[in-house]
Amino acid sequence: EVQLVESGGVVVQPGGSLRLSCAASGFTFDDYAMHWVRQAPGKGLEWVSLISWDGGSTYYADSVKGRFTISRDNSKNSLYLQMNSLRAEDTALYYCAKDMAAVGATTVHAFDIWGQGTMVTVSS
Amino acid sequence: AIRMTQSPSSLSASTGDRVTITCRASQGISSYLAWYQQKPGKAPKLLIYAASTLQSGVPSRFSGSGSGTDFTLTISCLQSEDFATYYCQQYYSYPPSLTFGGGTKVEIK
Repeated sequence: EVQLVESGGVVVQPGGSLRLSCAASGFTFDDYAMHWVRQAPGKGLEWVSLISWDGGSTYYADSVKGRFTISRDNSKNSLYLQMNSLRAEDTALYYCAKDMAAVGATTVHAFDIWGQGTMVTVSS
Repeated sequence: AIRMTQSPSSLSASTGDRVTITCRASQGISSYLAWYQQKPGKAPKLLIYAASTLQSGVPSRFSGSGSGTDFTLTISCLQSEDFATYYCQQYYSYPPSLTFGGGTKVEIK
């Protein structure tokens, strides 16, 4: 079964740091780019970051650029999001999502597999 | 950044109705558009990509059309399990800066 399982979400104070993890299974992890997408309570979806299949290229939403770092460990089938200088507006459910196009195929940055999400609350 | 505007933000419909949701991009995005369905407490589900290509396993009552700046998602015969929130998402921009529409909530009339 294809599966993504996020972890690491907690309550953290403004200015604090946190690392989220996402464990992948059921597919060839290093064939695909991966993403983080977040959803604030009662709000819509916001793309956060993308990492290429080999980790060589990373991209960020302007709202997190310079504060968040995406990374992956293909030997562990795992994706990470290091979150620094957290703000109240970073409070959200963070989803790990698989890019639908395999390496070498036509780029399609749509998300065909999602995890269940991990909640990050930034509050004093 | 490319802005995606969905309309309406919500609608009420009955089982069996034909429902159309519109998504407009702030600049041309060719056919680099996806649609998702999200039910309360659940992760989004990919319905359509490349504006009109149905994702595997998605019922044929869902269809997508459009290119450039204007797109539509149509549900031809609304079923009870289709009551949900729908989002469009563009993946045209490079370097990648992916953006979603604000969502359309489909409610029971």
